[in-house]
Order: sequence, then C-alpha cells, then structure tokens
Amino acid sequence: GQNIDQPTEMTATEGAIVQINCTYQTSGFNGLFWYQQHAGEAPTFLSYNVLDGLEEKGRFSSFLSRSKGYSYLLLKELQMKDSASYLCAAMDSNYQLIWGAGTKLIIKP
Amino acid sequence: ETGVTQTPRHLVMGMTNKKSLKCEQHLGHNAMYWYKQSAKKPLELMFVYNFKEQTENNSVPSRFSPECPNSSHLFLHLHTLQPEDSALYLCASSQEFGGGTDTQYFGPGTRLTVL
Repeated sequence: GQNIDQPTEMTATEGAIVQINCTYQTSGFNGLFWYQQHAGEAPTFLSYNVLDGLEEKGRFSSFLSRSKGYSYLLLKELQMKDSASYLCAAMDSNYQLIWGAGTKLIIKP
Repeated sequence: ETGVTQTPRHLVMGMTNKKSLKCEQHLGHNAMYWYKQSAKKPLELMFVYNFKEQTENNSVPSRFSPECPNSSHLFLHLHTLQPEDSALYLCASSQEFGGGTDTQYFGPGTRLTVL
C-alpha cells in the first residue's frame, strides 16, 4: 500500500533550527511536496523536490533521497509565525498526491 | 479576488438537508480538486476534474455529488449526510492534472458540521 509517515508533533525554540522528517512508500514517484497549514487556513505550498539533494529557499530548505524514500524540511531562524502544521505529500505514478497526516510544530519563546 | 476562494466558510446542516459548497479559482488553471480533511488524518482526495472532465472519483459515497460547469468553478452538492462527514472540505486547483510537476493551490476550506 501507499503510505506517508511524519511525526505528529514537534516543539522548538524561537531562533533555533528544526528538521521535520518524512518517509514515503508509493507506487511510482513523481516528486515530494511540502505544504504549511496554519490553523483554520488553507495549506500553502512550500517546496517541491523530484531529484535527490537539497533545495534552499530562504529560511526553509527541503531534502530528498529517492533511494531511501526519505525527505526532510529544515526551518532555520524559527519565528513564532512558523507555528503551524507541515504536510508532506508524495506524487505517485498516477499523479495523485499521497498525504501524510501532518506535523504540528509548536514554537516557544 | 485572487487565488482560490470557497463559500461558505462554515456550514451546519442536518442529516436530511441538501446544501452545496462552492469553489472558484482565479489562477487560470485547468484542474480542480475536492479534498476532505479530518482531524489528525491525511488529506483524502475525493474528486478531480481536468479540463471540466471528471478524471478521479476515489470511492466517494453518492451522497457527495460534484459539478464542474467550467474550469474556474467547482461545486460539491451534499445530501443525506452522516455525522462522520463532518470535516474541513478543501478545494484546490492546478495547471493540469497529470502534468508532471503540478503544484496544487488550496482554498481556505469549508468547515462542515453534520448534526
């Protein structure tokens, strides 16, 4: 079956760095997406990886290892506004997104 | 307006009611999606429309009926719902379903409560 695993909840301190891991098992693979969702709001697109390696975009970076079925989202210089859920989703061979249940990130002062 | 909009934002209905959710996208996209989001569960894809044609129906009960009159508008008609259908219903759009690196953009959702 198809499956995405990510931690349910993480806590970090303002100004610190946090890494949110995601492992996936899909029928075929057409890329890995990360979205941010604040409570009561729409998920917003953060990053897309289809090749192995690290993609950096400001304070956020995303890494992919296709051989390991593994990705992580790295958030640097954490701010209070980064408190949100982070959703990992892998696109399968039918171009459907298989979603994780999300990681709730709590930022403490 | 820009992006993806959804109305209403909140809806409370009885099990015998009939209601409709509306989604509109202003991004010039050709694919639109309905998702169900329940607490602490992954997003569940319900329906996909690509160029106004339904391409995916992921075993959704017939009490949910989608309609896509054009590439910018998507509706979800609801009737005879059950309390377990209470959830956040998200609409999304993308350039083209199956178009490779196809990023989906989401609306804010409709919070549905079935009594």
